[in-house]
Amino acid sequence: NAGVTQTPKFQVLKTGQSMTLQCAQDMNHNSMYWYRQDPGMGLRLIYYSASEGTTDKGEVPNGYNVSRLNKREFSLRLESAAPSQTSVYFCASSDGAGVTEAFFGQGTRLTVV
Amino acid sequence: DQQVKQNSPSLSVQEGRISILNCDYTNSMFDYFLWYKKYPAEGPTFLISISSIKDKNEDGRFTVFLNKSAKHLSLHIVPSQPGDSAVYFCAASSYNFNKFYFGSGTKLNVKP
Repeated sequence: NAGVTQTPKFQVLKTGQSMTLQCAQDMNHNSMYWYRQDPGMGLRLIYYSASEGTTDKGEVPNGYNVSRLNKREFSLRLESAAPSQTSVYFCASSDGAGVTEAFFGQGTRLTVV
Repeated sequence: DQQVKQNSPSLSVQEGRISILNCDYTNSMFDYFLWYKKYPAEGPTFLISISSIKDKNEDGRFTVFLNKSAKHLSLHIVPSQPGDSAVYFCAASSYNFNKFYFGSGTKLNVKP
């Protein structure tokens, strides 16, 4: 039972490079989320998708774009990476905030030099 | 402005004693609260939750208390074990928002 799978697990980028973080869930959840974790800041929501075909900004969306490719997959794109985007990124999915929990992937550790 | 706050970055407790982790929130629209546990190099894992219609929820050694008037919740771990050493995140959500807000985390160290 895979749950939420993120790729890659580690990545080093140069400033200005672009990349896409991939996320897939096999729990048939409607909602998916992208968070970043920084020391002392906890988990901050970047973007979320309440259902297939919809996406919305979270608390820290600047510098990111997302695509809800289908019900299973939700990708996060950095168009022009900056050192401030060095972080650990987590994808999560849920069958509904307010009534149940979110399940998280193992994370992607991204370093921008 | 953070809507969910954990004011204690760290907590150290002796094995067998009680661990109490605290969390405050500001938005009265939140109606579902959760605690997650996170080990290094892993994703957060769900621990326990509580709906706003309750003031207490127990699951084995873990109990979450909710005080809506104070906008405060706490997680009690009794007895604490060395394997409980991890970062604990408090989270809040609402059916209306369809997203989860997290606190900054408390690092718990349970000493043998």
